[in-house]
Amino acid sequence: DSGVTQTPKHLITATGQRVTLRCSPRSGDLSVYWYQQSLDQGLQFLIQYYNGEERAKGNILERFSAQQFPDLHSELNLSSLELGDSALYFCASSVERTGDSGANVLTFGAGSRLTVL
Amino acid sequence: GQQLNQSPQSMFIQEGEDVSMNCTSSSIFNTWLWYKQDPGEGPVLLIALYKAGELTSNGRLTAQFGITRKDSFLNISASIPSDVGIYFCAGRPSFTGANSKLTFGKGITLSVRP
Repeated sequence: DSGVTQTPKHLITATGQRVTLRCSPRSGDLSVYWYQQSLDQGLQFLIQYYNGEERAKGNILERFSAQQFPDLHSELNLSSLELGDSALYFCASSVERTGDSGANVLTFGAGSRLTVL
Repeated sequence: GQQLNQSPQSMFIQEGEDVSMNCTSSSIFNTWLWYKQDPGEGPVLLIALYKAGELTSNGRLTAQFGITRKDSFLNISASIPSDVGIYFCAGRPSFTGANSKLTFGKGITLSVRP
């Protein structure tokens, strides 16, 4: 158990629908990252939050949004789902302490597998 | 954006063999990380490297931070069936500071034949 909790583990839905993926970071970690992993693809960075504020944005579609709440858990909202959105979505967390390289290592959750039919 | 190159995409080895994986970048990195992803699971950190030339071991795994700071390699010795998985390298560019975004390679899928 990495300490990063993601729910749900599996999700099957239809095109056009909206889903919310949830992530609880490791205790003490202030930063949450979201990644998408499609079949035969690497880890595509979507977005990062640090202590409730958006810190960095990657290749996140406009149909997707995220937020980090005061208790530091994060949610990734995926709307108007398309077949191509089927993927594993990973959350990762880190302490993100400036000047401490070791604190910036990412710890990943087990992922949420989204299937869009 | 930054890119890390890992090749080949897949490797097939015999149980007991050693295997080496390389990761290269066109830019200088100040942190190199190696992760392993088992099927259906999230990536797990294997080794972290923070200094050029650093050589670090974790059991049968050994990784090195290239002296040019543009590459890193991971060696697995005496492979066993549970070494099967996807191996990702990740790096953090030096010019953007400690909070810069971690960049991942596309990963190498390792298969181990009994």
